[in-house]
Amino acid sequence: AQSVSQHNHHVILSEAASLELGCNYSYGGTVNLFWYVQYPGQHLQLLLKYFSGDPLVKGIKGFEAEFIKSKFSFNLRKPSVQWSDTAEYFCAVNAGPNAGKSTFGDGTTLTVKP
Amino acid sequence: EPEVTQTPSHQVTQMGQEVILRCVPISNHLYFYWYRQILGQKVEFLVSFYNNEISEKSEIFDDQFSVERPDGSNFTLKIRSTKLEDSAMYFCARGTSAGTGELFFGEGSRLTVL
Repeated sequence: AQSVSQHNHHVILSEAASLELGCNYSYGGTVNLFWYVQYPGQHLQLLLKYFSGDPLVKGIKGFEAEFIKSKFSFNLRKPSVQWSDTAEYFCAVNAGPNAGKSTFGDGTTLTVKP
Repeated sequence: EPEVTQTPSHQVTQMGQEVILRCVPISNHLYFYWYRQILGQKVEFLVSFYNNEISEKSEIFDDQFSVERPDGSNFTLKIRSTKLEDSAMYFCARGTSAGTGELFFGEGSRLTVL
C-alpha cells in the first residue's frame, strides 16, 4: 500500500524567509502528486499538482514543488513566505486506477510570524 | 468558495444514533468522494462514488456506512449507528470529469459522538 510522509509537523518562519516542506512517498509505479493547503477556518484547496512532464511544477501564490523520482520526493517550496501563508499543508499521492483516491500525509502546520 | 457545500457544519450526536451528512455540488459532477480526518490524524479516504454507484471503498467504510445520491443532486453519507471513534471531520470532495485526480473539497462536517 502506498504511504506518504511529511517530515515536518510544525514549521515556524518569519516573513520573507524561504520555505521548503518535505514529502516522501512509497510506491514504485507511476504516481500523481498533489499539495493541498488549508487556511485557518477554510476548506482544503489544491495548491499544485504533478502528473507528468517537467518535474518542477508551479502552483498558486508563488508556490512550487519538485518531483524527484529517484528520491520518491515531492517537496514544496516558496522563496519568500508571507504572513498569509500561515496554514496547514498536505501532500497527497494517487497511484491507482481510482483517480480520486489519494493517500495523504500527516500535514505540516506552517506559522509565519509578521 | 468551495465547489461543494456540506451540511451540517457541526453535528453532535449520541452513540448509537444515525447521522446523515450531506454534500451538494455547485454544478453537475459525476465523481464524488468522502474523506475523514480524526482530530490530530491523517485525512483518510472513505469511499468514491461514480455515476450513482460506489466505485471503491476503504476498510474504514464498513456496513455502518452508506452513501447515496437520492435526488441526483445531494450526495449523502449515512452512519447507521455511530460510535465514539466516528468523531471526526468529514470532507466531501468532487473530482474532475477527466479523472485526473484533483479533489475539490467542501468545508467539512464536524461530527462529535458522545
